[in-house]
Amino acid sequence: GAGVSQSPRYKVAKRGQDVALRCDPISGHVSLFWYQQALGQGPEFLTYFQNEAQLDKSGLPSDRFFAERPEGSVSTLKIQRTQQEDSAVYLCASTFEGGGAWADTQYFGPGTRLTVL
Amino acid sequence: AQTVTQSQPEMSVQEAETVTLSCTYDTSESDYYLFWYKQPPSRQMILVIRQEAYKQQNATENRFSVNFQKAAKSFSLKISDSQLGDAAMYFCAYTTSGTYKYIFGTGTRLKVLA
Repeated sequence: GAGVSQSPRYKVAKRGQDVALRCDPISGHVSLFWYQQALGQGPEFLTYFQNEAQLDKSGLPSDRFFAERPEGSVSTLKIQRTQQEDSAVYLCASTFEGGGAWADTQYFGPGTRLTVL
Repeated sequence: AQTVTQSQPEMSVQEAETVTLSCTYDTSESDYYLFWYKQPPSRQMILVIRQEAYKQQNATENRFSVNFQKAAKSFSLKISDSQLGDAAMYFCAYTTSGTYKYIFGTGTRLKVLA
């Protein structure tokens, strides 16, 4: 694709609901990152995939957060039993490289703004 | 722990003038990369410039250049001939080899005055 896309762009959830956020990386990109960006803050790393393998999930804030990328392309970030503190913009980014991802340019999606009431 | 600090929440610059955004970081690693990302209002974050720690020469991309002071752990961004389209949040970021984690600062909002 032309760029990284994310859906939905906006999501309002009632506290306790489950949500699923989708990321479509640039075609052929090996690496995929998820970030959480609270209002007025910089992005905070959540998790990293190299193809379908989740190589780092150290940033996931709790076991309510789960991410997958089963076929090595589209990724889904799922949040169970949402809480108000989960309200944030969730950003996805992809890079072409795999093992050298730390050195490569990240291409970001527009983000999903999640509001938990 | 590795940290990235941007001490200027907001900066203003007159169109066509030059502005410098500050960033300091803390790390014990010797092999790392530093980045400046731009996040325009309601638009996607894009890479502005990056610097490899092992390179002494400061990176330059058109009107954007960095002043990388490794010993001082400082990585400032200079924008020359500022344009209205430069108005955005600017984030300094760090990553190191052997990890996939990027650490971002809290950002500096740049306003460009016509």
